[in-house]
Amino acid sequence: EAGVAQSPRYKIIEKRQSVAFWCNPISGHATLYWYQQILGQGPKLLIQFQNNGVVDDSQLPKDRFSAERLKGVDSTLKIQPAKLEDSAVYLCASSRDFYSGNTIYFGEGSWLTVV
Amino acid sequence: QQQVKQSPQSLIVQKGGISIINCAYENTAFDYFPWYQQFPGKGPALLIAIRPDVSEKKEGRFTISFNKSAKQFSLHIMDSQPGDSATYFCAASGRETSGSRLTFGEGTQLTVNP
Repeated sequence: EAGVAQSPRYKIIEKRQSVAFWCNPISGHATLYWYQQILGQGPKLLIQFQNNGVVDDSQLPKDRFSAERLKGVDSTLKIQPAKLEDSAVYLCASSRDFYSGNTIYFGEGSWLTVV
Repeated sequence: QQQVKQSPQSLIVQKGGISIINCAYENTAFDYFPWYQQFPGKGPALLIAIRPDVSEKKEGRFTISFNKSAKQFSLHIMDSQPGDSATYFCAASGRETSGSRLTFGEGTQLTVNP
């Protein structure tokens, strides 16, 4: 079974520029997550989708971050304009559904450096 | 507000020794407690998980001990090996609070010396 796919793996941009990350979850997984992991810290949830609907985006900085999952499969996370503090690894993850106890599978992450 | 506190931040163990990492949580609605292992440049991967209806779960060299009254749980790695060197995260989720989404601790960087 293929894992969670993410691209690009690495991106360096200047502050105030924009960037987009793409995620393809495990086939058949209804729930998709975007986590932000700052170096030396644990992952923090940005947004959670159930199929193509948003379950929780309370921690998403909506003035600069946006995410969509139009057909309930792939997802895109966008940052515009980027700030220095956005430098982090953006982890996409998926699970079979949204009930507690479902194993969450992570991709390898998209590393963002804002200079 | 951090809901899962993890310690220590870093841990150095000799090969063959026991590694112990501790976590404490605040929200009594949490009902699922996984441990994730992360190698450099990789995403976190599920190592072992426990529900609060049992006090201990063992899988190979990895054991979770769970103390519901103290709201604490810990990961024990027996016979630690250099290949276990990684960052370990405890996490929690609960159907009444967050469904499947996980709240993570800050991580413990484990180094196992040969």
